[in-house]
Amino acid sequence: AQSVTQLDSQVPVFEEAPVELRCNYSSSVSVYLFWYVQYPNQGLQLLLKYLSGSTLVKGINGFEAEFNKSQTSFHLRKPSVHISDTAEYFCAVNTGGFKTIFGAGTRLFVKA
Amino acid sequence: DTEVTQTPKHLVMGMTNKKSLKCEQHMGHRAMYWYKQKAKKPPELMFVYSYEKLSINESVPSRFSPECPNSSLLNLHLHALQPEDSALYLCASSIRLAEYNEQFFGPGTRLTVL
Repeated sequence: AQSVTQLDSQVPVFEEAPVELRCNYSSSVSVYLFWYVQYPNQGLQLLLKYLSGSTLVKGINGFEAEFNKSQTSFHLRKPSVHISDTAEYFCAVNTGGFKTIFGAGTRLFVKA
Repeated sequence: DTEVTQTPKHLVMGMTNKKSLKCEQHMGHRAMYWYKQKAKKPPELMFVYSYEKLSINESVPSRFSPECPNSSLLNLHLHALQPEDSALYLCASSIRLAEYNEQFFGPGTRLTVL
């Protein structure tokens, strides 16, 4: 069975500092990986996705993620965060069952 | 038009009421989803429609009744809900029901059951 673990429930960081949000998945078959962001009182929005090919994926708002098959990880990074990046971030995986499995979420809190 | 709209934005209902949530998209997507999201939790899948047919029902109680009248509309009919059903209800759509397609989410309906 597939599962997704987001290792940090909350990540506080100062503005303009780099950030990494960690995500590990478990699956014995090929996976499709996604990062979604949810701003307060809004729905989810896709940041980026990995389907195949290059393991470094670039997304919107300056975010990128690296797929590491040997470590079954898909960590999200941004070199310099802004106050407006404060939100909930969800890692998600789909291995072909038509059901996307979401991680528990990581709350990114950017401080001035 | 690249968005999913949901109405109403907020809904307060009693346990004996009947109400409906509405979701609409005009992106030509043929898969539509209902999720339930409790505070500080990830979305939980409730139903999936593919080409207007119910494809996935995640053992949701019968007091929730989905309906997909056409390829652009998705409704969720609510009847005899419980206070624990209070949550944010999210609608989403994707091009097709396939594991590699991302989902486009609406802003949600905040439901409170008294």
